[in-house]
Amino acid sequence: GAGVSQSPRYKVAKRGQDVALRCDPISGHVSLFWYQQALGQGPEFLTYFQNEAQLDKSGLPSDRFFAERPEGSVSTLKIQRTQQEDSAVYLCASSLDWPAEIQETQYFGPGTRLLVL
Amino acid sequence: QKEVEQNSGPLSVPEGAIASLNCTYSDRGSQSFFWYRQYSGKSPELIMSIYSNGDKEDGRFTAQLNKASQYVSLLIRDSQPSDSATYLCAVRKSGGSYIPTFGRGTSLIVHP
Repeated sequence: GAGVSQSPRYKVAKRGQDVALRCDPISGHVSLFWYQQALGQGPEFLTYFQNEAQLDKSGLPSDRFFAERPEGSVSTLKIQRTQQEDSAVYLCASSLDWPAEIQETQYFGPGTRLLVL
Repeated sequence: QKEVEQNSGPLSVPEGAIASLNCTYSDRGSQSFFWYRQYSGKSPELIMSIYSNGDKEDGRFTAQLNKASQYVSLLIRDSQPSDSATYLCAVRKSGGSYIPTFGRGTSLIVHP
């Protein structure tokens, strides 16, 4: 079946603009994660949803970052008043039902590469 | 101390050799460990997961886990140029939302 999809794949924003990044998880996956990956670094956790409930947003770096998943499927990560330090790849991952089993794994989408000028 | 530590490399090995990638972690209660491969400009792809002490083999890949030493490794036998990528170690936390923490990755270069 189809994997995790993300759009847009690339986004260039001027500093101060708002951006919205979309994630379509694998069909039937209850759990959805957002990560930020800076150049040369591993993915850093931002936030996690179980269905429409945002269970953990401890990784969001500031109140400019907001995520939602209103119907428990598609999710949107919104960054307000973008700054240059927001430039990174934003990865979305989904999982069948995290963290029900220790064998539960995450499947990543292709990412959105954000460049803030 | 970072939660998950990896040598950033690059690790350079000749084609056909064994590549050994190492990862240490700080959360002693962690139970799930993952190795992802990430090609340049692409998303992480899960290649191995391990949950019990010892070795787990899958084709040319072997994951090794030593919980007492808080150490997990990935061996790639008969390395191929197509194995050249960054290898990310991820460790699932033992509490909270059990969110995996990723290391910064080790860059592997397999030269012909």
